[in-house]
Amino acid sequence: ELKVEQNPLFLSMQEGKNYTIYCNYSTTSDRLYWYRQDPGKSLESLFVLLSNGAVKQEGRLMASLDTKARLSTLHITAAVHDLSATYFCAVDGNAGNMLTFGGGTRLMVKP
Amino acid sequence: ETGVTQSPTHLIKTRGQQVTLRCSSQSGHNTVSWYQQALGQGPQFIFQYYREEENGRGNFPPRFSGLQFPNYSSELNVNALELDDSALYLCASSWPRGSGANVLTFGAGSRLTVL
Repeated sequence: ELKVEQNPLFLSMQEGKNYTIYCNYSTTSDRLYWYRQDPGKSLESLFVLLSNGAVKQEGRLMASLDTKARLSTLHITAAVHDLSATYFCAVDGNAGNMLTFGGGTRLMVKP
Repeated sequence: ETGVTQSPTHLIKTRGQQVTLRCSSQSGHNTVSWYQQALGQGPQFIFQYYREEENGRGNFPPRFSGLQFPNYSSELNVNALELDDSALYLCASSWPRGSGANVLTFGAGSRLTVL
């Protein structure tokens, strides 16, 4: 059974600081997603990582994938308040777009 | 290009009742998946429909059932509602894996409260 774990579960940080969210998964997969969710809202797609060593960046967020270590990271650079949200990683373990999600990381960026 | 639309947005039911949730997929997407997101947790995969047939199922009991229609829209039905069924139900549409497209588009969700 595929398991996906994120840490930390909760992250409070000051504006301007850097931090990394980690996503570990238990079985082989070559497709990993990162989503953002604002309170009471749906999931917004941030990144799709398709191969070992993949790195994608959008604004202050950068995601990477190491399939050998079964690890993805979401790095936040110079955080701003607008990045406050819950971030989920999700793994497509059976090649069918049927995702297993991590428990989420709730990020609060304080002014 | 329209996104994924779900209805209703909110509903309240009592234990033992039945509920039907609806989803219209994004234009051109022929695969629909349903997820349950309990408060404070990550979404859990319920099932997926492709070409009007169930294409995969997560760890949910048979009282969770679904349909997909020729226009690719979908329904999620839950019978004999339990308190633990209270959650946000998310629909996602996509092309089938292997089509070369990697996007899953999620709808805004239907929030179900079971009293």
